[in-house]
Amino acid sequence: DSGVTQTPKHLITATGQRVTLRCSPRSGDLSVYWYQQSLDQGLQFLIQYYNGEERAKGNILERFSAQQFPDLHSELNLSSLELGDSALYFCASSGGTYNEQFFGPGTRLTVL
Amino acid sequence: ELKVEQNPLFLSMQEGKNYTIYCNYSTTSDRLYWYRQDPGKSLESLFVLLSNGAVKQEGRLMASLDTKARLSTLHITAAVHDLSATYFCAVDKDSNYQLIWGAGTKLIIKP
Repeated sequence: DSGVTQTPKHLITATGQRVTLRCSPRSGDLSVYWYQQSLDQGLQFLIQYYNGEERAKGNILERFSAQQFPDLHSELNLSSLELGDSALYFCASSGGTYNEQFFGPGTRLTVL
Repeated sequence: ELKVEQNPLFLSMQEGKNYTIYCNYSTTSDRLYWYRQDPGKSLESLFVLLSNGAVKQEGRLMASLDTKARLSTLHITAAVHDLSATYFCAVDKDSNYQLIWGAGTKLIIKP
């Protein structure tokens, strides 16, 4: 158990809908990262937050947005969902000396 | 642009054999990470390599880093079935803690 929690574990929804994924980092970690993992594209970095502020942006679509709240938990919002958005979404947190990232269990999103 | 390449991408091997996974990266970086992922599961941190010549070992896995060659290796000794997984390497981008990931090496170890 990495200490990073994600909810929900599974999410099934329809095209055009909007969903919110939630992540709680390890106690004391200030950085949160979001990744998308699909079968054909590997692990894709989406976005990083540090202590409530956006720090780095990767291949995140405009339909996707994220935020980190004062209690350091983070949410990833996915809107106007398409079939191709079906994937595993991971959250990771870091905060130690070497900024090793610790991953949550992931949310499996299925868009029908 | 920092790129990270792993090879091979797929490896099927027999139990008891030794093999090495390679991770090359394109620009200077002082931190390299190895992760393991079981099918349908999350990623688990294996090693953090912080300097040139760093070597770390855990059980049958040993990782090393050569920053001059921009190369890390993950060596598997006397493989066992339980080591079957996908192994990822990742490199710090500009030391700002955004990691650039390799495509992963899917390792299957047959009895």
